[in-house]
Amino acid sequence: EPEVTQTPSHQVTQMGQEVILRCVPISNHLYFYWYRQILGQKVEFLVSFYNNEISEKSEIFDDQFSVERPDGSNFTLKIRSTKLEDSAMYFCASSATGTGWTGELFFGEGSRLTVL
Amino acid sequence: AQKVTQAQTEISVVEKEDVTLDCVYETRDTTYYLFWYKQPPSGELVFLIRRNSFDEQNEISGRYSWNFQKSTSSFNFTITASQVVDSAVYFCALRVHQAGTALIFGKGTTLSVSS
Repeated sequence: EPEVTQTPSHQVTQMGQEVILRCVPISNHLYFYWYRQILGQKVEFLVSFYNNEISEKSEIFDDQFSVERPDGSNFTLKIRSTKLEDSAMYFCASSATGTGWTGELFFGEGSRLTVL
Repeated sequence: AQKVTQAQTEISVVEKEDVTLDCVYETRDTTYYLFWYKQPPSGELVFLIRRNSFDEQNEISGRYSWNFQKSTSSFNFTITASQVVDSAVYFCALRVHQAGTALIFGKGTTLSVSS
């Protein structure tokens, strides 16, 4: 069964460092997403991406964040200068579109980011 | 704007008890999808069910059942004869019928099932 894969599963970084989280969405999906979950809190939407551009973003997704699809398979989230409050689990998701679209997002297993 | 409310923050039950997790949603769209996800201690998000706004038929899957009522904007989830393995955080989520839009999550309900 196709799945969304994320790397790394856990990353520890120093405050101020740049971090790139990687995701490989399901191959025939066209919409890609990043969500964030601070420990013990709800899952929050960050950004959605379609046709090589951001289609929607939340207030959380400020200038410190950027997304990119550098090739035909990867979808990345970059945090330019990490802050302590960026420590969270980051989930990537993808969804299909077109005939038979069911609205479902398929989530990866998450990348846990710890900022020290 | 869309909103999902899970009023129950934590629920504790003893094995074999039935438990219902409440979910109330808000949207102005007439076509939308509702979801339940399970997040076990390992952290991943496990899809449980999707229901679209035109299908109010309740669904049963093994020990799980879902009650969708548009009149009260609720999509409640019942676990019958709970088991320790059901211990997890359960999230209700809402998405409108437009590709690329965000899936909006509730704050989650932590279910603890003791033996």
